[in-house]
Amino acid sequence: GAVVSQHPSWVICKSGTSVKIECRSLDFQATTMFWYRQFPKQSLMLMATSNEGSKATYEQGVEKDKFLINHASLTLSTLTVTSAHPEDSSFYICSASFSGGGNEKLFFGSGTQLSVL
Amino acid sequence: AQSVTQLGSHVSVSEGALVLLRCNYSSSVPPYLFWYVQYPNQGLQLLLKYTSAATLVKGINGFEAEYKKSETSFHLTKPSAHMSDAAEYFCAVNTGGFKTIFGAGTRLFVKA
Repeated sequence: GAVVSQHPSWVICKSGTSVKIECRSLDFQATTMFWYRQFPKQSLMLMATSNEGSKATYEQGVEKDKFLINHASLTLSTLTVTSAHPEDSSFYICSASFSGGGNEKLFFGSGTQLSVL
Repeated sequence: AQSVTQLGSHVSVSEGALVLLRCNYSSSVPPYLFWYVQYPNQGLQLLLKYTSAATLVKGINGFEAEYKKSETSFHLTKPSAHMSDAAEYFCAVNTGGFKTIFGAGTRLFVKA
């Protein structure tokens, strides 16, 4: 089946530094990728929708300059948390959308736990 | 380790019929359970969640799910399907930490 690889799975960084998270579709081309964040015991919160070759569409309340999303190719999207602060500590998960045979299928990365000290 | 199994990658029902989407999980600690829906070209939307309160959880759009600890299940139901319910549905489990595990998804088709 289709695989979405998300890296790193765990990152600890100092406050004020930037962290990049990668999301790759390994065996299919993903025209659309979604980025979510989640706090413990809470549901996912959609941060942005990313389409290859165009600017990401951010959800209301998500800072574009804080969470930089780049979808440079059909197999790679990156989320960069800039000038990270402890309140950015969260679980970030990506999903990639594959369209084929008239149906769209969503596949999830394994997530990245970010801890900002 | 946590895991989620959604039985049936595709489910087809007639409009007005009962919708039943199955989800079984494994978890070593009491879980938090979620059902999400994804419409084409959109991100996930939360349908409902179980967080150790009432075992029967009501969500949006007439959906509900029942947590059955003895069966480790959290099946999603709706009494009467509507054409607009056609979408992909994902069951997910979180054990209070950061990580959430998703099922593979079930695509619901609704026939007129």
